[in-house]
Amino acid sequence: KAGVTQTPRYLIKTRGQQVTLSCSPISGHRSVSWYQQTPGQGLQFLFEYFSETQRNKGNFPGRFSGRQFSNSRSEMNVSTLELGDSALYLCASSLAGLSGYTFGSGTRLTVV
Amino acid sequence: QQQVKQSPQSLIVQKGGISIINCAYENTAFDYFPWYQQFPGKGPALLIAIRPDVSEKKEGRFTISFNKSAKQFSLHIMDSQPGDSATYFCAASKLTGANSKLTFGKGITLSVRP
Repeated sequence: KAGVTQTPRYLIKTRGQQVTLSCSPISGHRSVSWYQQTPGQGLQFLFEYFSETQRNKGNFPGRFSGRQFSNSRSEMNVSTLELGDSALYLCASSLAGLSGYTFGSGTRLTVV
Repeated sequence: QQQVKQSPQSLIVQKGGISIINCAYENTAFDYFPWYQQFPGKGPALLIAIRPDVSEKKEGRFTISFNKSAKQFSLHIMDSQPGDSATYFCAASKLTGANSKLTFGKGITLSVRP
């Protein structure tokens, strides 16, 4: 059974650019959540999608957005990148709720 | 406002010893308390989780102890092995509801010396 797949694994972007990250959940999982992980702040919740609808949102600026497609695959977008956006972005999927969350290996974003 | 606090920040244990990591939470509405393990270059992986209707749950060498009145829970790793060296995160949430999301502690780095 394939796990959660995140692409790309690594990205280097310049300040002011925008970036799109992709997440393919485990087959059959309809809930996809995104987290930002940094050494200083730890794991912080970005948003959750369920059946193509944003169900929950964390305390991040509007530059962070996401969407989910009918096949449950999800993308997150960060516009006007700032140096502080450098982080590991993690995607997690589950059948419906929080129990049984499975994380992907993440996308390491570096903003220079 | 940090709703979930872990201690200690780092831990060094000898092989065969017991590793104990503590976690305190603030929101009494939380009813789901998982522990995650993360190795370098990987995402966190669920180790064990507990609901507040039980005070202890054991899975192999891993045990969660839960104290509802103190709003604390802890992870005990028995017979610690070098392969247990990783970062451990506690988390808490309401399991159901429109605004359910996992709130994580900042993580602790465990090193098990051979």
